[in-house]
Amino acid sequence: QKEVEQNSGPLSVPEGAIASLNCTYSDRGSQSFFWYRQYSGKSPELIMSIYSNGDKEDGRFTAQLNKASQYVSLLIRDSQPSDSATYLCALGFQKLVFGTGTRLLVSP
Amino acid sequence: DVKVTQSSRYLVKRTGEKVFLECVQDMDHENMFWYRQDPGLGLRLIYFSYDVKMKEKGDIPEGYSVSREKKERFSLILESASTNQTSMYLCASVLSGRPGELFFGEGSRLTVL
Repeated sequence: QKEVEQNSGPLSVPEGAIASLNCTYSDRGSQSFFWYRQYSGKSPELIMSIYSNGDKEDGRFTAQLNKASQYVSLLIRDSQPSDSATYLCALGFQKLVFGTGTRLLVSP
Repeated sequence: DVKVTQSSRYLVKRTGEKVFLECVQDMDHENMFWYRQDPGLGLRLIYFSYDVKMKEKGDIPEGYSVSREKKERFSLILESASTNQTSMYLCASVLSGRPGELFFGEGSRLTVL
């Protein structure tokens, strides 16, 4: 069973700051990693995927993967109040395993 | 846009009742999934299906069954609902060529009394 660990938070950052969300995993064989965002009362939506060591940037979002240390991170630059949500880390191929999520609060 | 539709947003059932949760997707996705989401436990996979009439158990299949008679429809069945099945149920679909890029329905909140 793959395990995915996330700090539940809340992680509180002021508007305009960088939010850093972290995720560690136990299965060294994992190859595919995903970040989902879930607003309160809504269903998760995919925001980033990463498969190779290093950084992957998409707008204000950067995913970072370090397979040797078994962690994956999500950086959100210029955080906005609209980024306030729970961020779920997931890994797997056809069948995803999710972490319990980190709640992010961005204050104006 | 991909649309995954769950037929019931809110249900209240009594212990022992049979419950059907329906999910339909409109993008010809091969793979479909049923998860439940509980506070502190996150999303846990109940069952999934890679093709019509095909099903595989996820991590917590006990007390559940599924049916996939048509490619676009994946149903979750609680044969005899129990209070510990009170939860948010989320259906998802994905193209087989884009694993991990799940599209979720809006969820069905089930309360079993």
